[in-house]
Amino acid sequence: AQSVTQLGSHVSVSEGALVLLRCNYSSSVPPYLFWYVQYPNQGLQLLLKYTSAATLVKGINGFEAEFKKSETSFHLTKPSAHMSDAAEYFCAVRGDTGTASKLTFGTGTRLQVTL
Amino acid sequence: GAGVSQSPSNKVTEKGKDVELRCDPISGHTALYWYRQSLGQGLEFLIYFQGNSAPDKSGLPSDRFSAERTGGSVSTLTIQRTQQEDSAVYLCASSPGTGTRNTIYFGEGSWLTVV
Repeated sequence: AQSVTQLGSHVSVSEGALVLLRCNYSSSVPPYLFWYVQYPNQGLQLLLKYTSAATLVKGINGFEAEFKKSETSFHLTKPSAHMSDAAEYFCAVRGDTGTASKLTFGTGTRLQVTL
Repeated sequence: GAGVSQSPSNKVTEKGKDVELRCDPISGHTALYWYRQSLGQGLEFLIYFQGNSAPDKSGLPSDRFSAERTGGSVSTLTIQRTQQEDSAVYLCASSPGTGTRNTIYFGEGSWLTVV
């Protein structure tokens, strides 16, 4: 079974500051990892995904994440926060088996960006 | 269509009534997923379809919940005898296939309120 844990349900940063949202995974098989963003009253939008090609993954809106097997982590970062980044962020995992097609999500981290 | 389309976007129903939620996936996508998002429960997997069959319906919370997909396209999630705890956002998603490398695209959700 696969699972992800997101540390911190709320994170607040100043505009221009580094954004770091934490995600740790648990998987008995090589994981495929995803970050989604949800803006208020909208659905989920894919930010980036790790599918074993490269450990540093770049996504949309300046976000990136690094897969670290030794730490079982897939933290999301952005060098400089914008007000428009305020949203809820979800880390998710899929296992590398045919029957594990579904995404399993973390509990989400709400990012607040202040002036 | 360009994205996953869900209807209705908002539904208020009385306790005990049946509701149907519709999902129109991205054209050509063979895999279709239903998730539920509620306060305190995060994003819960309900069921997924590959074509018209449902290999994994393990997330359906009770026998009041059912889903079908016809013609490998549109899906309907039906909740019978609704209860207040069914109030949530029901998210539909689709994917080109069930392979783990495939991106899953989400609709904007159907907001269900049971009063």
